[in-house]
Amino acid sequence: GAVVSQHPSRVICKSGTSVKIECRSLDFQATTMFWYRQFPKQSLMLMATSNEGSKATYEQGVEKDKFLINHASLTLSTLTVTSAHPEDSSFYICSARSYTEAFFGQGTRLTVV
Amino acid sequence: LAKTTQPISMDSYEGQEVNITCSHNNIATNDYITWYQQFPSQGPRFIIQGYKTKVTNEVASLFIPADRKSSTLSLPRVSLSDTAVYYCLVGEVDSGAGSYQLTFGKGTKLSVIP
Repeated sequence: GAVVSQHPSRVICKSGTSVKIECRSLDFQATTMFWYRQFPKQSLMLMATSNEGSKATYEQGVEKDKFLINHASLTLSTLTVTSAHPEDSSFYICSARSYTEAFFGQGTRLTVV
Repeated sequence: LAKTTQPISMDSYEGQEVNITCSHNNIATNDYITWYQQFPSQGPRFIIQGYKTKVTNEVASLFIPADRKSSTLSLPRVSLSDTAVYYCLVGEVDSGAGSYQLTFGKGTKLSVIP
């Protein structure tokens, strides 16, 4: 079946630095990818919709200048957390749809110290 | 997007059948019902999807009544490895690659007891 690969699986960074997370659709093309954030013991919350060749659409309350999304090709979307702070520590998950089914990456555990 | 309501948690002994029911009273005509499983620190994994009546695959069954206002995920003979959070999602599904947006509810935390 279709696979979505997310990298890195976990990252620790210092406060004030930026972190880039990659999401790749391995065997299908994804014109649209989704980025979610999940805090401990909570559900996934949609952050933004990444559109190939155009600007991302952000959900209400998500800072577009802080969470930069680039969807440069049909198989790759990146999320960059800029000037990270401890409150940005969370589990970030990407998703892409292939026909009727949505596939999710393995997730990235971000810890900002 | 249709809102879903599930029990927050369920406990079951190994070997039992588990049924998790999801309410989606405002489901639209074009909406499908999809269930996902999530283990800690992993992305959700597709379990099963259906539109009406009954769907069965190698891991689960999905029962959807005629009014489609609810659905029940049935896991036969659960094992300890089935301990996870199960999410019920409702939304429109296009036949091609599109922007089908998934909105997650709180999910049901299933704990399987030895």
